[in-house]
Amino acid sequence: KQEVTQIPAALSVPEGENLVLNCSFTDSAIYNLQWFRQDPGKGLTSLLLIQSSQREQTSGRLNASLDKSSGRSTLYIAASQPGDSATYLCAVHTGGFKTIFGAGTRLFVKA
Amino acid sequence: DTAVSQTPKYLVTQMGNDKSIKCEQNLGHDTMYWYKQDSKKFLKIMFSYNNKELIINETVPNRFSPKSPDKAHLNLHINSLELGDSAVYFCASSQGSGQVQPQHFGDGTRLSIL
Repeated sequence: KQEVTQIPAALSVPEGENLVLNCSFTDSAIYNLQWFRQDPGKGLTSLLLIQSSQREQTSGRLNASLDKSSGRSTLYIAASQPGDSATYLCAVHTGGFKTIFGAGTRLFVKA
Repeated sequence: DTAVSQTPKYLVTQMGNDKSIKCEQNLGHDTMYWYKQDSKKFLKIMFSYNNKELIINETVPNRFSPKSPDKAHLNLHINSLELGDSAVYFCASSQGSGQVQPQHFGDGTRLSIL
């Protein structure tokens, strides 16, 4: 059974700091891995999607890596800003229209 | 324009009542989903529909009955509401199974059972 774990559960950093969020999954048979952002009272916004054949994806200050064999992914956020404060969710697509989510990392960036 | 819209945004009701949540997407996607996010923020899939056909029913109680009148709509009806049903329910859509392109989410419906 696929399980997705995110560490840390919460993180507080000063503005400008570079940071890394971690995601691990128990079954390497995945089709893709996605990172989402969730703001309070809002739905999820897709940030990056990495196909199982890819190693990383970049969008602006965000870089996500995928090591399928070890069941790990990281989301790197460069030069963090207060507007980055949100919950970041990692999710793996296991095939058959099914996506398994982690519990998320709550990020707070202090001005 | 909102891509995936859910109504209502908030729903407060008493135990035992029946309620419905509506979802519509204007992205032209052929797959829609319902997720439940509990108090610990864990997001779990409940149902997925592809071209109006049920693909996933993730051991959800029979009190929950989704209905997809067309590809752009997936509604959720809940009978005999229980305290444990209190959660945020998210609707989402994707083109195909979501293997290639990401899912798009609505803003959620916050259901509180008194």
